[in-house]
Amino acid sequence: KAGVTQTPRYLIKTRGQQVTLSCSPISGHRSVSWYQQTPGQGLQFLFEYFSETQRNKGNFPGRFSGRQFSNSRSEMNVSTLELGDSALYLCASSLRAGGYEAFFGQGTRLTVV
Amino acid sequence: GQQLNQSPQSMFIQEGEDVSMNCTSSSIFNTWLWYKQEPGEGPVLLIALYKAGELTSNGRLTAQFGITRKDSFLNISASIPSDVGIYFCAGASGGGADGLTFGKGTHLIIQP
Repeated sequence: KAGVTQTPRYLIKTRGQQVTLSCSPISGHRSVSWYQQTPGQGLQFLFEYFSETQRNKGNFPGRFSGRQFSNSRSEMNVSTLELGDSALYLCASSLRAGGYEAFFGQGTRLTVV
Repeated sequence: GQQLNQSPQSMFIQEGEDVSMNCTSSSIFNTWLWYKQEPGEGPVLLIALYKAGELTSNGRLTAQFGITRKDSFLNISASIPSDVGIYFCAGASGGGADGLTFGKGTHLIIQP
């Protein structure tokens, strides 16, 4: 059974640009959550999608958005990038909504210069 | 928001020693999860706990869901070099409205 796949693995962007990250969950999983990981703040919840609907959102500005498609694949978008957005962005998939037994991908390492 | 205090921050141990780490919360959680993360990888789920008082093992790893539902611990017995990594606890409240709340991690370093 394939795990969670995130693309791309690495990304370098310039301040002010926007970026889209992609996540393919484990087959059969309908919940996809996104997390930001930084050395200072640790792992922080961004948002969760379940059956193409955003179920909940963490404490991040509106520049961070996402969506989920009918095949459960999800994308996350960050607009008007800031230096502080440099982080490892992790996607996790679960069978059920609510973050239970979330399985993580390898992450996308975003560097904003 | 909810916060998890995970301790210790780091541990330097000898191969073969037992390890213990714990997490405490100011809020009640309905689910506790323990993850391990290695450099360049995403967190890997080790153990999931769903009931207060529950004790669950996964090989040399044992974790417990505290009776108060505000704490959990993870023990690793007879550590080996491949146990090196950062261990995170994570909690979810009813309905998972805030996703998973993570501790800051325990960095385990094993000296041969």
